[in-house]
Amino acid sequence: GENVEQHPSTLSVQEGDSAVIKCTYSDSASNYFPWYKQELGKRPQLIIDIRSNMDKRQGQRVTVLLNKTVKHLSLQIAATQPGDSAVYFCAENIGAGGTSYGKLTFGQGTILTVHP
Amino acid sequence: DAGVTQSPTHLIKTRGQQVTLRCSPKSGHDTVSWYQQALGQGPQFIFQYYEEEERQRGNFPDRFSGHQFPNYSSELNVNALLLGDSALYLCASSPDRGLRDTQYFGPGTRLTVL
Repeated sequence: GENVEQHPSTLSVQEGDSAVIKCTYSDSASNYFPWYKQELGKRPQLIIDIRSNMDKRQGQRVTVLLNKTVKHLSLQIAATQPGDSAVYFCAENIGAGGTSYGKLTFGQGTILTVHP
Repeated sequence: DAGVTQSPTHLIKTRGQQVTLRCSPKSGHDTVSWYQQALGQGPQFIFQYYEEEERQRGNFPDRFSGHQFPNYSSELNVNALLLGDSALYLCASSPDRGLRDTQYFGPGTRLTVL
């Protein structure tokens, strides 16, 4: 079935340290995996995404890794700042094809706190 | 260029009432998806509209219905409201060309059912 497991549920780091969040997805047909950052009371904001034809993608201070063999993906945030404090969600896109562009199934979220 | 917009921001209803939420997609986007986000959880997919038709639906009852207009804006209707319908309702839009599975979210409508 459709399921995305995300861990840890909470993560506390010191400013300047790295933070790593991991997800396991279930649908081997999924080919698109976005990560969203959601600050309290705000919209989910796309921070980086990866497609199944890649196993690594880097942005500004963020890196996402994808292991399709074991259906794992991870997000690393380097040199964390207090402004990185938020809830982070991984997601997989399921059901794209035909006349649909697919739906996102989200993990449960990770509450990241960066202490100054 | 405005991003995805939603109205109203907040809404309070009582059990049994009906509600309509509205969404305007980002310019250059033609696909709209709706999600329900309960407190402390990830968003859950309700349905997706493209070319004014429902293209895919999540595990939500028929009390949840929607519509897409020729200008690509969309409405979400919920009938016979239950206390459990209290949540943040998010709309997301996708571009009409290129990476069409990429979804950008609006600020949401906070619905409280009393």
